[in-house]
Amino acid sequence: QKEVEQDPGPLSVPEGAIVSLNCTYSNSAFQYFMWYRQYSRKGPELLMYTYSSGNKEDGRFTAQVDKSSKYISLFIRDSQPSDSATYLCAMSAGGKLIFGQGTELSVKP
Amino acid sequence: GAVVSQHPSRVICKSGTSVKIECRSLDFQATTMFWYRQFPKKSLMLMATSNEGSKATYEQGVEKDKFLINHASLTLSTLTVTSAHPEDSSFYICSAIPGQGGTEAFFGQGTRLTVV
Repeated sequence: QKEVEQDPGPLSVPEGAIVSLNCTYSNSAFQYFMWYRQYSRKGPELLMYTYSSGNKEDGRFTAQVDKSSKYISLFIRDSQPSDSATYLCAMSAGGKLIFGQGTELSVKP
Repeated sequence: GAVVSQHPSRVICKSGTSVKIECRSLDFQATTMFWYRQFPKKSLMLMATSNEGSKATYEQGVEKDKFLINHASLTLSTLTVTSAHPEDSSFYICSAIPGQGGTEAFFGQGTRLTVV
């Protein structure tokens, strides 16, 4: 079993839809949870960073962590074509990051 | 957020030659930098952890003699792919964590290496 599981998609939604991206993990030692956005042929860009269970909101993005279920989510409201990218979850216990496989998202105009 | 600059963004080299990739933290000091490799439509695979002033720590299965890492200062780490072969063609990405004990990692733009 991989330490971090993420559905690779692809996921296609119409513009304006609410997008839900998810990851599950098996290592209960993970304390830090991140979501990165990666455009084709570019390095990942940090979107959200959370430490504890609960929700964190930043504009159209909401990150949710449920440590009891070992489950994290990223919600994108009012999705835009410019949100089309690969979204990677990542987590760590301090130190190196373990990444999910990434979910390819396409937002259609 | 913090800025990490990686250079070059693309490089094509002949089989058997060596290629050096630089990773710089522009507005912060990083005692630790990480090097990743990414295959098409795949996640990032950690290759090694680069520590300023000491030897890099390589992940299992990564050849340390092939992928030479030097972290000579608090703002610069280099990855040298020695005697490159076509199977080394990939997307290489570095990341750095500001300060000591930090947890937010910032990534460079990546380097697309093609060995012909």
